[in-house]
Amino acid sequence: SYELTQPPSVSVSPGQTASITCSGDKLRTKYASWYQQKPGQSPLLVIYQDTKRPSGIPDRFSGSNSGNTATLTISGTQAMDEADYYCQAWDSSTVVFGGGTKLTVL
Amino acid sequence: EVQLVESGGDLVQPGGSLRLSCAASGFTFSSYWMSWVRQAPGKGLEWVANINQEGSEKYYVDSVKGRFTISRDNAKSSLFLQMNSLRVEDTAVYFCVRVVRAGVTGYTFDIWGQGTMVTVSS
Repeated sequence: SYELTQPPSVSVSPGQTASITCSGDKLRTKYASWYQQKPGQSPLLVIYQDTKRPSGIPDRFSGSNSGNTATLTISGTQAMDEADYYCQAWDSSTVVFGGGTKLTVL
Repeated sequence: EVQLVESGGDLVQPGGSLRLSCAASGFTFSSYWMSWVRQAPGKGLEWVANINQEGSEKYYVDSVKGRFTISRDNAKSSLFLQMNSLRVEDTAVYFCVRVVRAGVTGYTFDIWGQGTMVTVSS
């Protein structure tokens, strides 16, 4: 079965750039989506089709997908961006999530 | 306002059954694939099942095949998940989610409900 691998945790200082990776075999051939989840809340879509931002998502969130790795980049990270982030892709009629990355802003 | 509201979560004994419901509003329900996604306490997201617009295509994660059934009622803008032979490891918050598809591999969950808690314990 298809698997997506994320680092368990990433730390960033306020105002700096955070990068969260998501690795999977030939991931570049699939569209990747990214979700933000804060404690006690439902997940929120922040990036879809590798690079697109839904309405209302700040432009400091961006995405890329190349080779076997998709990357979520948060520029000028703010304290409010501290959350768990999950990547997701679709493979052979099933949906796969990465294990999630806890982003700490300190 | 686009909204998904789940209900039906409860405490149930192992081997028991439960039916989750999801009421959709603010969009044309019959035009979208829908899914259930779950999250065990303190764990990550796990996709559970998909259903297409007409209800003719259904897909499940291997761990629930033969035990769970996804269905929908487009006339009532409602999504369901019938869960039988429940196990302790099915304990989770279950989210109802709208799907947006793009091309062959584009599959995105754009709208999420607030979730309903299912606890399987004796």
